[in-house]
Amino acid sequence: GIQVEQSPPDLILQEGANSTLRCNFSDSVNNLQWFHQNPWGQLINLFYIPSGTKQNGRLSATTVATERYSLLYISSSQTTDSGVYFCAVSPYNTDKLIFGTGTRLQVFP
Amino acid sequence: GAVVSQHPSRVICKSGTSVKIECRSLDFQATTMFWYRQFPKQSLMLMATSNEGSKATYEQGVEKDKFLINHASLTLSTLTVTSAHPEDSSFYICSAKNTVAGGPHEQYFGPGTRLTVT
Repeated sequence: GIQVEQSPPDLILQEGANSTLRCNFSDSVNNLQWFHQNPWGQLINLFYIPSGTKQNGRLSATTVATERYSLLYISSSQTTDSGVYFCAVSPYNTDKLIFGTGTRLQVFP
Repeated sequence: GAVVSQHPSRVICKSGTSVKIECRSLDFQATTMFWYRQFPKQSLMLMATSNEGSKATYEQGVEKDKFLINHASLTLSTLTVTSAHPEDSSFYICSAKNTVAGGPHEQYFGPGTRLTVT
């Protein structure tokens, strides 16, 4: 089955710093989503981005489907950005999401 | 919009008993819902795809007789953990996809149910 790897696995930042999270996937996909899982376990939708670039406030994402990777950019990070970031993909002809390994982000004041 | 709820949020049960978890799409219809399981400090693992009006599709290695799924309406899917054992203790999360034609293809997730089997 499709493999989804994220890097780095852990990231520690000072408030105000910028960061880039990467998601590599091993096969063609028809859906890619980024999520933030908060300390209570809730998954918050950040981006639906099977291709192209999107921006939402301090966050932006880019997916290069032909090269099978996606990037999530966080600028001017805040302590509330702490948590685990997951990318998830749907292999072609399916709706199910396969989750990546996750990046655990800690932002300190 | 696109809110998914789960009930209960937390449950403790004794070994050998069964537990039912509900997943509801509150403001949209979903012919397909999904059930995931997450162990501490790990990623989410898809357990099964729940299809309204038909049998669920289970992922390899998931026991269908242990994890019973029923999707009786366009807004409700239930997961029943039968004869629960301590190794079934986990965080169970459901998701739903809006099936309105031309609508967004993204999935929305419930807040999760933390199951502890003693």
